[in-house]
Amino acid sequence: RKEVEQDPGPFNVPEGATVAFNCTYSNSASQSFFWYRQDCRKEPKLLMSVYSSGNEDGRFTAQLNRASQYISLLIRDSKLSDSATYLCVVNTNAGKSTFGDGTTLTVKP
Amino acid sequence: EAQVTQNPRYLITVTGKKLTVTCSQNMNHEYMSWYRQDPGLGLRQIYYSMNVEVTDKGDVPEGYKVSRKEKRNFPLILESPSPNQTSLYFCASSWTPGLDYGYTFGSGTRLTVV
Repeated sequence: RKEVEQDPGPFNVPEGATVAFNCTYSNSASQSFFWYRQDCRKEPKLLMSVYSSGNEDGRFTAQLNRASQYISLLIRDSKLSDSATYLCVVNTNAGKSTFGDGTTLTVKP
Repeated sequence: EAQVTQNPRYLITVTGKKLTVTCSQNMNHEYMSWYRQDPGLGLRQIYYSMNVEVTDKGDVPEGYKVSRKEKRNFPLILESPSPNQTSLYFCASSWTPGLDYGYTFGSGTRLTVV
């Protein structure tokens, strides 16, 4: 079983739709959690950190559930420019980081 | 401009010919890490460094070496490259890995070993 499991998709949604991605992790020692966005095999770029209290940035909301060991990303009012691969990352404070395999999102007109 | 610089961006080499991929950051970050990304897979951690002279193995360290003699540089060394090391490589840095700081990634190095 992978340490971080992520639904690979693809998710194909129309503009304006709301889409949610989930990611589960198995290492209970994990300390920090992030969502990254990656376009066409370019470098990943930080989208947002994930906290138990929830974190919102415009149309994006991230949530951490430590008890169930999963993190989520919600995108509201999807735009064409949101089309990308979304990666969840789980880190320990000892330096080890584990990425999910990525979820591909395509937003269509 | 705050950045992580990797060189080269593209490299084609032959099996067994030693090579080094350089990584440099100008943000005074303590933490640096190398990843490889293969089709259908996420990023897998090769080696990481919490600070100067401190390095640790990630999930896929076999066939790679690293060194951290200075804070800004973290080169990845392939002593005897093999075709299964053909991949897209990313270097990343951060203040510290376990807190709420994300990583800054370099632009990537696309390596082909023939």
